[in-house]
Amino acid sequence: KAGVTQTPRYLIKTRGQQVTLSCSPISGHRSVSWYQQTPGQGLQFLFEYFSETQRNKGNFPGRFSGRQFSNSRSEMNVSTLELGDSALYLCASSLEGQRGTEAFFGQGTRLTVV
Amino acid sequence: KQEVTQIPAALSVPEGENLVLNCSFTDSAIYNLQWFRQDPGKGLTSLLLIQSSQREQTSGRLNASLDKSSGRSTLYIAASQPGDSATYLCAVGSFQGAQKLVFGQGTRLTINP
Repeated sequence: KAGVTQTPRYLIKTRGQQVTLSCSPISGHRSVSWYQQTPGQGLQFLFEYFSETQRNKGNFPGRFSGRQFSNSRSEMNVSTLELGDSALYLCASSLEGQRGTEAFFGQGTRLTVV
Repeated sequence: KQEVTQIPAALSVPEGENLVLNCSFTDSAIYNLQWFRQDPGKGLTSLLLIQSSQREQTSGRLNASLDKSSGRSTLYIAASQPGDSATYLCAVGSFQGAQKLVFGQGTRLTINP
């Protein structure tokens, strides 16, 4: 059974550009969550999608957005990149998205903004 | 607002020792608590999931306990091995959202051969 797949693994972008990251959840999982990991702030919740609907959102500016497709794959978009957006972006999937279900994480996308 | 703290931030022990990692949280109204390990530059690997109704979970050499009333969880690693070297993170799932996990800063564990 394949795990959570994130593409690309590494990205280098210039300040002001926009970027799209992709996450394919474990087969059968309908909930996808996104997290940002930085040395200073640790892991912070960005948002969660379930059945193509954003169900929960963290405290990030509107430049961060996402969506989920009917096959549960999710994309995250960051517009007008800033140097501080450099981070490891992780997505997690869970079976039904109910409270109490186990979250499985992908390998992450390392974004560097120069 | 839920806050999760992990102590110590770093730990270095010789191979073969039993060790305990600590995790505390401020709001006891949690659904579950999950322990992860993270190798440098990699994603998170789920180790153990404890539901709020449970007191502990075991997997191989790992045992995690949960005391909701005191806002604490411990991860016990028996007979540590160099391959256990990694950062260990605990995360709580709260009533704020189904899959919104709140993470601690992690404990960086080094097992010396």
